[in-house]
Amino acid sequence: KNEVEQSPQNLTAQEGEFITINCSYSVGISALHWLQQHPGGGIVSLFMLSSGKKKHGRLIATINIQEKHSSLHITASHPRDSAVYICAVGGDMRFGAGTRLTVKP
Amino acid sequence: DAMVIQNPRYQVTQFGKPVTLSCSQTLNHNVMYWYQQKSSQAPKLLFHYYDKDFNNEADTPDNFQSRRPNTSFCFLDIRSPGLGDAAMYLCATSIPTASGANVLTFGAGSRLTVL
Repeated sequence: KNEVEQSPQNLTAQEGEFITINCSYSVGISALHWLQQHPGGGIVSLFMLSSGKKKHGRLIATINIQEKHSSLHITASHPRDSAVYICAVGGDMRFGAGTRLTVKP
Repeated sequence: DAMVIQNPRYQVTQFGKPVTLSCSQTLNHNVMYWYQQKSSQAPKLLFHYYDKDFNNEADTPDNFQSRRPNTSFCFLDIRSPGLGDAAMYLCATSIPTASGANVLTFGAGSRLTVL
């Protein structure tokens, strides 16, 4: 079993829809990262979370340390949000398999 | 600007010909990571350094070696590249914050082609 599980693996949405991507992990951590990778692009760190909730524009990330679960939400999704979203945990930065999001106009 | 720089961005090598990829950072982060990312897959951690302490993943092939001569530089050496080693190689750095969490920064990657 992977230490970091993401769901769904693939997600297709219509522009404007509310998106939720989930991440569950089995190791104890001090923080979790949400990362974004556009096709053919580099990886950008979106959020680093150790508790509660963070918001950046249309992106919201939440974490429940007790339940070892985090969610990334995108409000009013747009085609430019199409990317792979990856959660990473632990001091050695273990990655989930990623969620490939496609937002159609 | 402070950043993580990988060189070369694109590397073409022949089967079995050694390759070295470099990563430099001006962030003074004490942790450096090397990841391998194959097409349509998530990055896979190869190894990481916490300061000078080297941490190898159990399933990283012996063909892959790393050096970190100082805080700013880290190298990935592929001793005898095979066709299966063609991938994007990503370097990342991090530093623990006061809360114990890690600020994480990625380089743009080095794409390796093996002929």
